[in-house]
Amino acid sequence: GENVEQHPSTLSVQEGDSAVIKCTYSDSASNYFPWYKQELGKGPQLIIDIRSNVGEKKDQRIAVTLNKTAKHFSLHITETQPEDSAVYFCAASDSGYALNFGKGTSLLVTP
Amino acid sequence: SQTIHQWPATLVQPVGSPLSLECTVEGTSNPNLYWYRQAAGRGLQLLFYSVGIGQISSEVPQNLSASRPQDRQFILSSKKLLLSDSGFYLCAWSWAGAVITEAFFGQGTRLTVV
Repeated sequence: GENVEQHPSTLSVQEGDSAVIKCTYSDSASNYFPWYKQELGKGPQLIIDIRSNVGEKKDQRIAVTLNKTAKHFSLHITETQPEDSAVYFCAASDSGYALNFGKGTSLLVTP
Repeated sequence: SQTIHQWPATLVQPVGSPLSLECTVEGTSNPNLYWYRQAAGRGLQLLFYSVGIGQISSEVPQNLSASRPQDRQFILSSKKLLLSDSGFYLCAWSWAGAVITEAFFGQGTRLTVV
């Protein structure tokens, strides 16, 4: 089955700096790559997603890039703000009914 | 609009006791339904998913079971809880169909087995 690796496990940046989280996947048939943000005590919420027919997608301060050849994708957050502090999860779908998640990155944005 | 309800929010249960967590979805029909478990430092582990009433797929062998008695109701159960069953349990739904789409998560249940 699909195996998703996510790095780093923790990330601390200063407010205004950029943050980058990277994920790799194992199944070349995977074609859907969402990113979720989870705040303390809550369920994860989708923040951006990308499909395998697109190399990059941007939504305001958030962008995701996908390299199908290398089987990795990344989340980029620019101009970070304290409210960006949360746990971020990447996921990949191997064309089945469910998502396979990475282990998460705890992002801390310090003022 | 669609909403997902999951309860209870927190639960403390003794070892060996039964478990029943319930999840319901409103505002859509025939959703795909999921149970995930989140343990510290281990990400989100898929436990069960269902594409229709009475259809349950299990992803990992474990002490838990799932049932879907109604179209928009998904239940996670155990006959006898183990200490290792402690964790944060998340129910989720996605649109029906062959193409995977966004999963919408509930607020989760924090289960502590003592």
